[in-house]
Order: sequence, then C-alpha cells, then structure tokens
Amino acid sequence: ETGVTQTPRHLVMGMTNKKSLKCEQHLGHNAMYWYKQSAKKPLELMFVYSLEERVENNSVPSRFSPECPNSSHLFLHLHTLQPEDSALYLCASSQDNAYAVNEQFFGPGTRLTVL
Amino acid sequence: ILNVEQSPQSLHVQEGDSTNFTCSFPSSNFYALHWYRWETAKSPEALFVMTLNGDEKKKGRISATLNTKEGYSYLYIKGSQPEDSATYLCAFKTSYDKVIFGPGTSLSVIP
Repeated sequence: ETGVTQTPRHLVMGMTNKKSLKCEQHLGHNAMYWYKQSAKKPLELMFVYSLEERVENNSVPSRFSPECPNSSHLFLHLHTLQPEDSALYLCASSQDNAYAVNEQFFGPGTRLTVL
Repeated sequence: ILNVEQSPQSLHVQEGDSTNFTCSFPSSNFYALHWYRWETAKSPEALFVMTLNGDEKKKGRISATLNTKEGYSYLYIKGSQPEDSATYLCAFKTSYDKVIFGPGTSLSVIP
C-alpha cells in the first residue's frame, strides 16, 4: 500500500466514549500532521510531529491527544468529545528539513460525528 | 491574528474558459506558499510550493505566481476542463513554522 492511509474512514461516537484515529504513511517522510476541517471553515492545523517529536500544538483542547510512536504512524486519541468536535480529520506527511519546504501528502480523512 | 483569504469563494465557468483566483496572505514573516487541489471525496493534492518573490510555477494548464512583498498569489487555469472542478486551497507558512490555510475557492467547470 502506498501514500497516506487513515482508519477508520467514518466514526460515530458518544461524548463519553474513547476512540483513536490512526494514520500511516508509506512515503518515508519524517514529519506528520493532524488537521481538522469543520463545516464552512478553513483547514486548521492541530499538531505537527517532526522526527517523532511534537513541534507544533495549536492550542488544541486536551480531549485530543496525539501520539507518534515512529515516523510512519500517527494517532489521535479522543475522549469526552463535544458535538462541536464533529468534523473531518485529515492526516498529512512531508519530508521535513531545515533547507527545503516540501509539499504535504494528505490521507483521505476520518469523518467524525460526536453525538 | 494571521489571516489568509481567497477570492472568489466559488466560481462557475464553461469548459474551455480560462480562469484565475487569488490568495492573499500577510506580507511579513513569509516562508512559503502552497497551493492544493481538493476534489470531492478525495484527499488534498499539492499543486505548487512557492518560496521566492516573483516565483512562477507551471504544471500543464495550471500556473501560479507569487508576490511576497504585497502578499498575494494568483492561480491560473487555462482552458478549464470538467476534471478541474475542485476546491483550490492556498496555505501560508510563516518563518516560525505556523501554517494557515485559506478557506478555498470552489471551482465548477460546466461541460
């Protein structure tokens, strides 16, 4: 399998549930990202990991907890979410280094609905 | 607050027409500008990464220009085809690693 994959593609959860979103990249990249796309809003960057270390956290509520066990995998752990957290969650990866700005490759996204 | 704007919000053109749209971004702390195409039910796909003032990039019928001093980039599509129908996103990256996406321009090409 190639590119960036995300599972599950669709998720419905209650406010008291705990679930996790998974992202995997097969491109040999060293940076991974979580984005949120809410209805009628621009894509919002949530977290950035470079070489498995978190380098960006855009004031995301603690009910979202990222995990990057290695450069190919990225998780987003979800607990006690609110209905307003319903959105499309996109994962992306890129080859990150100090001298180049490289394009990001996106996964297909997880459509999350919080009841 | 950093803001990236795109105009128009949506656009309907006839097949064969050429079109262009704009991305406006802060002119300070510029590091890079990305253009992405996002087709319905697919993932966003990178079109261009632009870093230098005056940059012009081209991929087939699509091209883009960059003016970092005044804070704008244009995306041009020559001879639009139905398969060009998508949302076109620009993303501004600052020198301190912040990435801000614009709201996108939704393009529909009518056969």
